[in-house]
Amino acid sequence: GAGVSQSPSNKVTEKGKDVELRCDPISGHTALYWYRQSLGQGLEFLIYFQGNSAPDKSGLPSDRFSAERTGGSVSTLTIQRTQQEDSAVYLCASSPSGSGSSYEQYFGPGTRLTVT
Amino acid sequence: GENVEQHPSTLSVQEGDSAVIKCTYSDSASNYFPWYKQELGKRPQLIIDIRSNVGEKKDQRIAVTLNKTAKHFSLHITETQPEDSAVYFCAAPDFDSNYQLIWGAGTKLIIKP
Repeated sequence: GAGVSQSPSNKVTEKGKDVELRCDPISGHTALYWYRQSLGQGLEFLIYFQGNSAPDKSGLPSDRFSAERTGGSVSTLTIQRTQQEDSAVYLCASSPSGSGSSYEQYFGPGTRLTVT
Repeated sequence: GENVEQHPSTLSVQEGDSAVIKCTYSDSASNYFPWYKQELGKRPQLIIDIRSNVGEKKDQRIAVTLNKTAKHFSLHITETQPEDSAVYFCAAPDFDSNYQLIWGAGTKLIIKP
């Protein structure tokens, strides 16, 4: 079936502009994660949605970052007043369940954000 | 909460030799330990995982071993090939934060021809 999709695949924006990144998880997956990956670095956790629970926003680096998940499916990560240090690949992942027997995360292809 | 440490950060091995990457975790209640491979420019993908009720799991040239007493698990790759060059991430679930995976920092594996 279809995997996790993200759009756009690439985004170039000017410093100070707002950007929206979209993630379409695998149908039926209740858990959704956003990560940031700078060049040559690891996976930096940003935010975690699990079913109807309040999202875990503990990884968001500043109040310029926000995310929502509508109807338990599609998620949008918004970065306001972008800065050059926001340049990175933003990865979305979904998982069948945040607890129980399956923790496997399926990643999307990422959105490469470049702030000029 | 869970804490995961991964070593080494970079590993260079001769093609055909074996590679071993090790991770330690802090929460003795953790019961699931996956390894992901991320090739250059690609997304991370699960290559093997192990649950706490077994000590070893193999899949062709890759294997994962788990030592619950010492709270560490390792990825073993035998007969390494050029296509094994990638960054490998380990992870463990954090029960305090609704089971999200806590990730190691990654190991860049370089296979020398």
